[in-house]
Amino acid sequence: ETGVTQSPTHLIKTRGQQVTLRCSSQSGHNTVSWYQQALGQGPQFIFQYYREEENGRGNFPPRFSGLQFPNYSSELNVNALELDDSALYLCASGTSGHQGYNEQFFGPGTRLTVL
Amino acid sequence: AQTVTQSQPEMSVQEAETVTLSCTYDTSESDYYLFWYKQPPSRQMILVIRQEAYKQQNATENRFSVNFQKAAKSFSLKISDSQLGDAAMYFCAYFAGGSEKLVFGKGTKLTVNP
Repeated sequence: ETGVTQSPTHLIKTRGQQVTLRCSSQSGHNTVSWYQQALGQGPQFIFQYYREEENGRGNFPPRFSGLQFPNYSSELNVNALELDDSALYLCASGTSGHQGYNEQFFGPGTRLTVL
Repeated sequence: AQTVTQSQPEMSVQEAETVTLSCTYDTSESDYYLFWYKQPPSRQMILVIRQEAYKQQNATENRFSVNFQKAAKSFSLKISDSQLGDAAMYFCAYFAGGSEKLVFGKGTKLTVNP
């Protein structure tokens, strides 16, 4: 296990609704990244938070937003859900401030189904 | 933009045999890292092995080794003495130095037959 947890495990929403997914990082990690993994695909980078501010974003619309809290927890919020938002959402925590690679530790994911 | 391609959607291997998973990538960067991640069914994604682009020596981790061909932009994973617990989705991933994100391939589903 990586020490990164996510809740809930599964979630079913209807189109147009809003959803909040949660992640608890490893103690001492100061970055959290969120990835979307559609069925049969590899994870795609949504954004990263570092010291509670967005620090890089992938090709996702503004209705995907996030928060990072001082207690190593974070949230991914998605507004106006669309059917294509159905996916496994992964969070990954790590440390930044170092040159080179920032190893990321993944949580088990939240499976979101939009009907 | 950097891309990662895994051309084998599925592979199978007999227990105790060796299997090689393929990965190619495209980048214009000189400072980057390559990884193989394992995602077992309904379990967390974990790092199997990593390779720094500036290192000529291929990385090894116990039964896992890579064949890193920098000029060809190829990065294959060899699993020796395959075990039933190796069955999983395997993702090849790329990280550019100074970046924030991992770029993943679509994955290869590995089945290990007893």
